[in-house]
Amino acid sequence: SYVLSQSPSVSVAPGETARITCGAGNIRTKSVHWYQQKSGQAPVLVIYYDDHRASGIPERFSGSKSGNTATLTIDAVEAGDAADYYCQVWEDTSDHLWVFGGGTKLSVL
Amino acid sequence: EEQLVESGGDLVHPGGSLRLSCVVSGFTLSAYDLSWVRQAPGKGLEWVSTLNGRGDRTFYADPVKGRFTISRDTSKNTLYLQMNSLGAEDTALYYCAKNQGSGSYPFASWGQGTRVTVSS
Repeated sequence: SYVLSQSPSVSVAPGETARITCGAGNIRTKSVHWYQQKSGQAPVLVIYYDDHRASGIPERFSGSKSGNTATLTIDAVEAGDAADYYCQVWEDTSDHLWVFGGGTKLSVL
Repeated sequence: EEQLVESGGDLVHPGGSLRLSCVVSGFTLSAYDLSWVRQAPGKGLEWVSTLNGRGDRTFYADPVKGRFTISRDTSKNTLYLQMNSLGAEDTALYYCAKNQGSGSYPFASWGQGTRVTVSS
């Protein structure tokens, strides 16, 4: 089955740039979506189709893809950005349909 | 405003059954794919099942295939997840989510979840 690999955790100081990666062998052929989940809350879509910001998401959030890796970048990180972030792809070559990465916990120091 | 409200979560014994409901408002059920996603305590998101907008195709993750059934009642604006032969590994918070469209569109709206605990 298709596997998306995310680092378990990323830590940055306020004002710095956070980069959260999502790796898979042929991710260049997939559309990647990113979700933010704050503690005790439902997930929220932040980036869709690799690099499109969802409604209401600050411009500090951006998405990109290169080689076997998709990246969620958060510029000028704020304390309120602390959350778990998940990548997701639609795996239409099988009946498994949707795959989530394991999630990355962003800590703001 | 779009809303999805899950219910039906409970404590159930291993081998038992449960039916989850997700009442939606602010959009037409038949215009979008709808999905169930679960999150075990302290773990990540896991896709469970999707029903396409036309209501004629269902998809399931391997761990639930043959045990869970997704369905809907458009007259009640409600999505369901019938869960049978439950095991401890099914303990999780279950979210329903609205796909932004069909196919590869992302999950644009989520409910707050309903908790299922499988324990003796």
